[in-house]
Amino acid sequence: DAKTTQPNSMESNEEEPVHLPCNHSTISGTDYIHWYRQLPSQGPEYVIHGLTSNVNNRMASLAIAEDRKSSTLILHRATLRDAAVYYCILRDFRDDKIIFGKGTRLHILP
Amino acid sequence: KAGVTQTPRYLIKTRGQQVTLSCSPISGHRSVSWYQQTPGQGLQFLFEYFSETQRNKGNFPGRFSGRQFSNSRSEMNVSTLELGDSALYLCASSLATGQSETQYFGPGTRLLVL
Repeated sequence: DAKTTQPNSMESNEEEPVHLPCNHSTISGTDYIHWYRQLPSQGPEYVIHGLTSNVNNRMASLAIAEDRKSSTLILHRATLRDAAVYYCILRDFRDDKIIFGKGTRLHILP
Repeated sequence: KAGVTQTPRYLIKTRGQQVTLSCSPISGHRSVSWYQQTPGQGLQFLFEYFSETQRNKGNFPGRFSGRQFSNSRSEMNVSTLELGDSALYLCASSLATGQSETQYFGPGTRLLVL
């Protein structure tokens, strides 16, 4: 299975941007990069995904390095509700099941 | 549209018993996946069903099984329960299979084995 590496935890102040990094040095050319997050006492929820180009949606932006060996999830203006565990996941066309790692626990300081 | 629903939400069983958990996907979704979440192992993939066929299976013993019905609803069964099966069981649905498909998760069933 393709692997990702994320920091165990991060802190950010409310109303400031947050950059969550993810390393995936063994990514193959057809792997999609997905981000999910899990708020306390809830199931995971989809955040964003991309293949090669940067992506934006109402929740966040995904910046993908040119060599695709790393990516960054950007929350433009963090709120207390964004405190969650964020998972960076690679999905392969040969075996597209979602394999969750440990993720990054994001703490938002008021 | 209603989200993914899972029943029951909470369950207490004793060792050796068996349990069946149910998942109703979002209307129109044909793929259902199951995950186990524990504090020690995190989120682990159990299996995925699409059009009543198992597509993928994780590394779990044969005591864990599942099925999908023609209306896309899915059930998972755990036989001969062990203490270590205590966990949050999550179900997720998606329109189809594939590496770009978004999965939508339910709230989970919390199983406690005594």
